[in-house]
Amino acid sequence: AQRVTQPEKLLSVFKGAPVELKCNYSYSGSPELFWYVQYSRQRLQLLLRHISRESIKGFTADLNKGETSFHLKKPFAQEEDSAMYYCALSTNQAGTALIFGKGTTLSVSS
Amino acid sequence: DAGVTQSPTHLIKTRGQHVTLRCSPISGHKSVSWYQQVLGQGPQFIFQYYEKEERGRGNFPDRFSARQFPNYSSELNVNALLLGDSALYLCASSPGGQRPQYFGPGTRLLVL
Repeated sequence: AQRVTQPEKLLSVFKGAPVELKCNYSYSGSPELFWYVQYSRQRLQLLLRHISRESIKGFTADLNKGETSFHLKKPFAQEEDSAMYYCALSTNQAGTALIFGKGTTLSVSS
Repeated sequence: DAGVTQSPTHLIKTRGQHVTLRCSPISGHKSVSWYQQVLGQGPQFIFQYYEKEERGRGNFPDRFSARQFPNYSSELNVNALLLGDSALYLCASSPGGQRPQYFGPGTRLLVL
């Protein structure tokens, strides 16, 4: 079965520290992976997708098919990065339906 | 563009009642998907519609149904509400195909 696992419910770091939000997936086909972010009192919004291979707000994520991972990284965390982060998988089996992980709350303090 | 809009923002119902939630996609987007987000969990896929046809259905009972109209807006209907249906219901639109989905603010449903 397709599944997305985000092992950390909460990640607390200090401003300027590196950040890595972990995401592992289970899918035997060719996946498309996304990171979505939800800031306080805002809607869920797309942060980045693996096929774009771009850096958004200093965040990057590399798809590792061998380890079935898509970890989100940022070298220097900022307080405004504090939010809920969701990793999501598209399997192409049901249109563009997304399978989400349970999310990780990132808290950046000064 | 206001983005994806959903109505109502909040709703309180009692067990056994029926509810209809509405979603208007971003202009030009032909695909609408519905998700249920229970507190502390990630969104869970319910339905996906493209060009007014159902293209995917998640693991939800038949009490859940949806449709998409010619203007690509969509409704999600839930019959015989249960306490466990209390959740945030999210609508997402996409141009279709392998394009990213853009989410609305959600409708928060409370079933008493």
